Amino acid sequence: DADVTQTPRNRITKTGKRIMLECSQTKGHDRMYWYRQDPGLGLRLIYYSFDVKDINKGEISDGYSVSRQAQAKFSLSLESAIPNQTALYFCATSDTRLLETQYFGPGTRLLVL
Amino acid sequence: TQLLEQSPQFLSIQEGENLTVYCNSSSVFSSLQWYRQEPGEGPVLLVTVVTGGEVKKLKRLTFQFGDARKDSSLHITAAQPGDTGLYLCAGSGNAGGTSYGKLTFGQGTILTVHP
Repeated sequence: DADVTQTPRNRITKTGKRIMLECSQTKGHDRMYWYRQDPGLGLRLIYYSFDVKDINKGEISDGYSVSRQAQAKFSLSLESAIPNQTALYFCATSDTRLLETQYFGPGTRLLVL
Repeated sequence: TQLLEQSPQFLSIQEGENLTVYCNSSSVFSSLQWYRQEPGEGPVLLVTVVTGGEVKKLKRLTFQFGDARKDSSLHITAAQPGDTGLYLCAGSGNAGGTSYGKLTFGQGTILTVHP
């Protein structure tokens, strides 16, 4: 079984709709991250959480919100989706004892029409 | 804000050729990582370099961290079709700094190795 899972893997939605992307991990890591990936832009950080009570904005948090429901779960919400949020979204986890190595989920491909 | 410039963005070569991918910044990083990503999957860590001037080898891949810890390179010897993928560098900030615990990613290099 995968250590970091994301659901759904693919999603098509319409402008203005609220959607939630979910991430679960079995690695026991305390840190979790949400990134979006666009062609030619690499991975950009949306939000990150160092523990259950800690939530921090990344470089592109506008239009997004997150919830850390438990150490193993970190969800990303688009309150009112817009077409330029069409992208590939990745969840990642890390443990500071492992030199900042991040372990990524398989990604969610989101299309906003 | 720490930025990482990765070059080239695209690389298309024949099997057996050598190649180098560069990752440059004006900022100092406490460590730098290289990831490889295949279609439909998330990035997977290849290596982490921590010490300025450090060189690490992973089979045909050689990774180097610059002396000033601002840049890094990935060299592949005798590339094979199985090396095809997206290569990403990522830098980690200094402990206690505003970028601690976060990675800054380069734009990525799409490598295609033709048989």
